[in-house]
Amino acid sequence: QKEVEQNSGPLSVPEGAIASLNCTYSDRGSQSFFWYRQYSGKSPELIMSIYSNGDKEDGRFTAQLNKASQYVSLLIRDSQPSDSATYLCAVNDNTDKLIFGTGTRLQVFP
Amino acid sequence: NAGVTQTPKFRILKIGQSMTLQCTQDMNHNYMYWYRQDPGMGLKLIYYSVGAGITDKGEVPNGYNVSRSTTEDFPLRLELAAPSQTSVYFCASSYTPPGLAVQETQYFGPGTRLLVL
Repeated sequence: QKEVEQNSGPLSVPEGAIASLNCTYSDRGSQSFFWYRQYSGKSPELIMSIYSNGDKEDGRFTAQLNKASQYVSLLIRDSQPSDSATYLCAVNDNTDKLIFGTGTRLQVFP
Repeated sequence: NAGVTQTPKFRILKIGQSMTLQCTQDMNHNYMYWYRQDPGMGLKLIYYSVGAGITDKGEVPNGYNVSRSTTEDFPLRLELAAPSQTSVYFCASSYTPPGLAVQETQYFGPGTRLLVL
C-alpha cells in the first residue's frame, strides 16, 4: 500500500513568520510531487509542483524535495492570515493517479 | 470555460436510496477522477477514467459505479446508499496523467456534499 503521510496539525504560526509543512512518502519510484491548498468548504487548488531534488521557489512558496529521504516540504515565507488553510501533499508514482496525504491544517494568527 | 462542474451541491439520502452525482468538464480533458473526502481526511480515489469508454477502480470503489460515454461527462452512481458514504465528493480532470507534463495538474470541481441518514 503506497502511503503519503503528513502531520495533521494544526500548525500555528504568527503573521510574518515562516510556516514549514512536511510530507513523507513510501514509494521510492515516485517522480512527481504536488502541494495543494484547500480552504474550508472549498476544493483543492494546486500551489506548487516539484520533480527534481532540491528547492523550487514561487513567490512566497518554496517546495523542497529529497528523494533519498523520501521527503518533500513546503515553506511559506511571510505567512499571512489568508494562508490559513489545509495543505495537501500529493504524490504520483508514474501511474495515472495521485496519492494524497491527509493534509496539514495551518493557522496564521495576526 | 466553466471548468469542472458538479451537481448537486448538497443532497440528503435515506439508507438504501440511489443517486447519481454528475460531473462535467469543458476543457477536453482525457483524464477524470472521483474522490471522496471525509472530515479531517485527505482525498481517497474512488474511480478514474483515462478516456471515453475506459474506467478503472481506485482505492475505495465498493458501493459505487461509473461510466464514461463522452469525454465531457463522468457520472458517479451510488447504489443502496449507506451512512458510510456520507462524505464530500470531488470530481477532477486533467489533460495528461498528473506529473507527465510540467505544471500539469488536476482541476477540481466545487464538490458535492452528501449526507446519508
